[in-house]
This record gives sequence, structure tokens and C-alpha cells, in this order.
Amino acid sequence: GENVEQHPSTLSVQEGDSAVIKCTYSDSASNYFPWYKQELGKRPQLIIDIRSNVGEKKDQRIAVTLNKTAKHFSLHITETQPEDSAVYFCAAWDSSYKLIFGSGTRLLVRP
Amino acid sequence: SAVISQKPSRDICQRGTSLTIQCQVDSQVTMMFWYRQQPGQSLTLIATANQGSEATYESGFVIDKFPISRPNLTFSTLTVSNMSPEDSSIYLCSVGSEQGETQYFGPGTRLLVL
Repeated sequence: GENVEQHPSTLSVQEGDSAVIKCTYSDSASNYFPWYKQELGKRPQLIIDIRSNVGEKKDQRIAVTLNKTAKHFSLHITETQPEDSAVYFCAAWDSSYKLIFGSGTRLLVRP
Repeated sequence: SAVISQKPSRDICQRGTSLTIQCQVDSQVTMMFWYRQQPGQSLTLIATANQGSEATYESGFVIDKFPISRPNLTFSTLTVSNMSPEDSSIYLCSVGSEQGETQYFGPGTRLLVL
């Protein structure tokens, strides 16, 4: 089955800097890769996603890139703000029709 | 996206008892899922709730422990049976797109078993 690895587990950046979170997946048939943001005590919120026929997708300050050959995808947050502080999860929709989640990255944006 | 609610939002239960968690959606959806999120951990799929048929359980989760109902396209329940402290977690339902991949989560049920 699919295995999704996520790095780093924690990330601390200065406000205004960029943050990058990386994930790798094992199932070459996986074709959909969402990213979720979970604030403390809240539900995971879908913030951006990418399908395997696209290499990059942007939405304001966030972007996701996908390298199908290397089987990895990344979340990029530019001009970080304190409200970006949260736990971020990557996921992959695998060939058995399940979302497999990474282990999460705790992002802290220092004011 | 659909509005998803869960009841209860939190509960404290005694070991050996059972708790049924409800998930209600404001529109008809084909795909509904139940996840567990242990403290400080990621999300683990428990089962896919299929309307009109038995749920499909993931490895490590069994129907006797986590019975699921899906009576219609807007509602599902998850029961945590014969609870132990190890069942203390957040339980989340999610609804998916037609194929299921784009998922939105309910607010979760925070369960503490003493």
C-alpha cells in the first residue's frame, strides 16, 4: 500500500520568510495530493491540492509542486505570517481509493 | 463545500462502555469516511461508510469494535465499543467528492476514556 513520508516534523521561521514542507510517496499510481492545515483544536482544512497531470499550482501565498518521476511533492508558503502557524499534513490518494496522510509538520512563524 | 456537523463534540467515558458519534451533512454525498487522530498524531482511516451496505474497514479496525451505520446519503454513525483508555482520540468524519479524493472534515469528536 501507499506510504507517505513528510519532512520536517517541526519548522520554525521568522515572519516574512518562506516555509517549505516536503513529502514523498511510494505508490506510482497515486494521482491526487492534497494539503491540509490544522490549527490547534480545529478540524483539518483543505488549503490546496494538485493532480498528477499538473506540475505546480499556486493560490496567493501558497503553492504546491509535484515531481511524479521522483514521487515527491512540496508545499511552499511565502511571506509567512503568524496566522500560518499550525500543523500541516500532506496526503496522497492511492490506487485503493484511500487518502494516506503524512505524519505532519508543526510550523511556527515567529513574529 | 458541504456543511458537516458531528455530535457530541467531546465526551468523557468510563472504560467498558460504548459511545456513538453522529455525522450529519447538509447535502447528499456519496463518499463518507471515519478517521481517528490520536493525540499529537496524524489521521488514520478507520473505514469507508457505504450507503446501503457494510462499511469497508482498514487493517487494524474491526466491525465489532467500530460498528458504522450509513442509513442515507447525509448521515452516518460510528460507535466505539467496549472502550479502553487507548481509544482516547479525536474521531473525525469526512465527506468526499464523487470519487472520494477531495475530502472535507467534520469538526471532530474528542473522546477521553477513563
